[in-house]
Amino acid sequence: GAGVSQSPSNKVTEKGKDVELRCDPISGHTALYWYRQSLGQGLEFLIYFQGNSAPDKSGLPSDRFSAERTGGSVSTLTIQRTQQEDSAVYLCASSLWGNTEAFFGQGTRLTVV
Amino acid sequence: EDQVTQSPEALRLQEGESSSLNCSYTVSGLRGLFWYRQDPGKGPEFLFTLYSAGEEKEKERLKATLTKKESFLHITAPKPEDSATYLCAVQAAGNTGKLIFGQGTTLQVKP
Repeated sequence: GAGVSQSPSNKVTEKGKDVELRCDPISGHTALYWYRQSLGQGLEFLIYFQGNSAPDKSGLPSDRFSAERTGGSVSTLTIQRTQQEDSAVYLCASSLWGNTEAFFGQGTRLTVV
Repeated sequence: EDQVTQSPEALRLQEGESSSLNCSYTVSGLRGLFWYRQDPGKGPEFLFTLYSAGEEKEKERLKATLTKKESFLHITAPKPEDSATYLCAVQAAGNTGKLIFGQGTTLQVKP
């Protein structure tokens, strides 16, 4: 596609439920990243994919967070047993390679009530 | 620890009043420094990449410069449509491409 696409745009969930966030990167981009932006906070790195592998998962805040990428394209970020502190905007980005400029999607705003 | 600090946190300018935003960084070997613009409710929009000290890049009213310790984003004769949050990020050498972001500078340009 023309840009990075994320869905849903907004998600409201009850505490304790699981959620899945989807990212469609720019076609041909091998690198894919997930970041989190909390209110008043900077962007926080979560995980990096090169192809279908995740060589850097260092930013995942707990074992409730996981992500996968299939076919070197679409990625899904899953948050299990959501907590109120998980409320944030989750941003996906892709780049041609791991060390070139990254292009971001519009984000998914997650609200845990 | 790799770190990025942006100043000021917020900046108000009159239309046409030029100014600069600062991004100070400490990183264990810089691969690249990136500037992004973020409008409310949207994802960051890529502006520039700088790779080595002394490098400069320009786009319309924006000019980014880089030294060994900091980068500046100069805004010349800004217009109200330049109002946004400007984000600076660094990528460390040998890294996976992960970006370390500053907190951003929120710019408001009044007509």
